[in-house]
Amino acid sequence: GQQVQQSPASLVLQEGENAELQCNFSSTATQLQWFYQRPGGSLVSLLYNPSGTKHTGRLTSTTVTKERRSSLHISSSQITDSGTYFCAALFNTGNYKYVFGAGTRLKVIA
Amino acid sequence: EAAVTQSPRNKVTVTGGNVTLSCRQTNSHNYMYWYRQDTGHGLRLIHYSYGAGNLQIGDVPDGYKATRTTQEDFFLLLELASPSQTSLYFCASSDHNTEVFFGKGTRLTVV
Repeated sequence: GQQVQQSPASLVLQEGENAELQCNFSSTATQLQWFYQRPGGSLVSLLYNPSGTKHTGRLTSTTVTKERRSSLHISSSQITDSGTYFCAALFNTGNYKYVFGAGTRLKVIA
Repeated sequence: EAAVTQSPRNKVTVTGGNVTLSCRQTNSHNYMYWYRQDTGHGLRLIHYSYGAGNLQIGDVPDGYKATRTTQEDFFLLLELASPSQTSLYFCASSDHNTEVFFGKGTRLTVV
């Protein structure tokens, strides 16, 4: 079936360090999106990136669809970046459905 | 701006009770989704729909029904709620060539 794998599962950084989060998906996805969530909170869309490289603020996402992977780079991490980062891929199964990875839990410490 | 509105935001019910979670989107999207989120898991797809009257089974459908009454409205029904259905529920909408937009979530507690 359609699967989305994220790595690492968790990550601890010192403030100011960079982070690289990975997302791999099991078959050809047509859309790819990164989300952020604080514990028990709403989902915040960070980047919608079906292919190529996109930037917003300190975030850069690179998606290589034919290699079934996407990455999210966070530069100069801040304590307020702490939370869980999810990637979601849209699969065409005859219908279209978004499937989520299990997330990467990021903790940034001073 | 694209919008997905869920109601209620919080709900407490008893085991065996009936619960209906509502979702409305103003994005003119064809697809709507219901997910649940539990500690230690990402979002898991319960049901989804590609238009009024249509229903597709997701990955964790047991114990849930859903109905898409209009393009805008998608409902999740728990007819005999159980404590295992205590969770954070999210509704979303998209099209096949767009990003997905989420509601703010409904926290359901079954006691």
